Amino acid sequence: QKEVEQDPGPLSVPEGAIVSLNCTYSNSAFQYFMWYRQYSRKGPELLMYTYSSGNKEDGRFTAQVDKSSKYISLFIRDSQPSDSATYLCAGLKQGAQKLVFGQGTRLTINP
Amino acid sequence: DAGVIQSPRHEVTEMGQEVTLRCKPISGHDYLFWYRQTMMRGLELLIYFNNNVPIDDSGMPEDRFSAKMPNASFSTLKIQPSEPRDSAVYFCASSLRLVSGANVLTFGAGSRLTVL
Repeated sequence: QKEVEQDPGPLSVPEGAIVSLNCTYSNSAFQYFMWYRQYSRKGPELLMYTYSSGNKEDGRFTAQVDKSSKYISLFIRDSQPSDSATYLCAGLKQGAQKLVFGQGTRLTINP
Repeated sequence: DAGVIQSPRHEVTEMGQEVTLRCKPISGHDYLFWYRQTMMRGLELLIYFNNNVPIDDSGMPEDRFSAKMPNASFSTLKIQPSEPRDSAVYFCASSLRLVSGANVLTFGAGSRLTVL
């Protein structure tokens, strides 16, 4: 079993829709959870990260972590065609350096 | 800052040839990571360095792969001999540990390797 599981999609939604991207993880030691966005033929770039459980909001993006169910979510409000990319979730143990990534979900926002 | 710089961006080679991928991390970052990305396996950590010293190479697939970091501004990933199953996008990333404890990686644009 992979430490971080993510549905690879693809996921296609109309512009303006609310998008929900989800991951599950198996390693209870993960304390940091990150979302990276990767445009086609580019390197991943950090979107946001959270520590432990809870929510974090940044503009149209909200990251949510539920450690009791080992569930990570990213919500995108008022989705735009420019949000079309692959979204990767990742977990990291406290004090560690090895970021463990999910498979990535390919998202397309249709105008 | 120019970010993490990788070269070459694209490499096509024949099976058995040596491949060398290069990376220049962000100045001041003390961690450097090499990742490999494929459709089947996603993004996998191969090796990482701290202050130019290899810390964990458990992700290196086999002895055909080697990585070096001779100084704080340069690292190489070498595959010798290359095989078709090595075809992937290889990413270099560097980071600086935040006060919060999180290690936030900045990735390069990647080197797309095709082994025929």
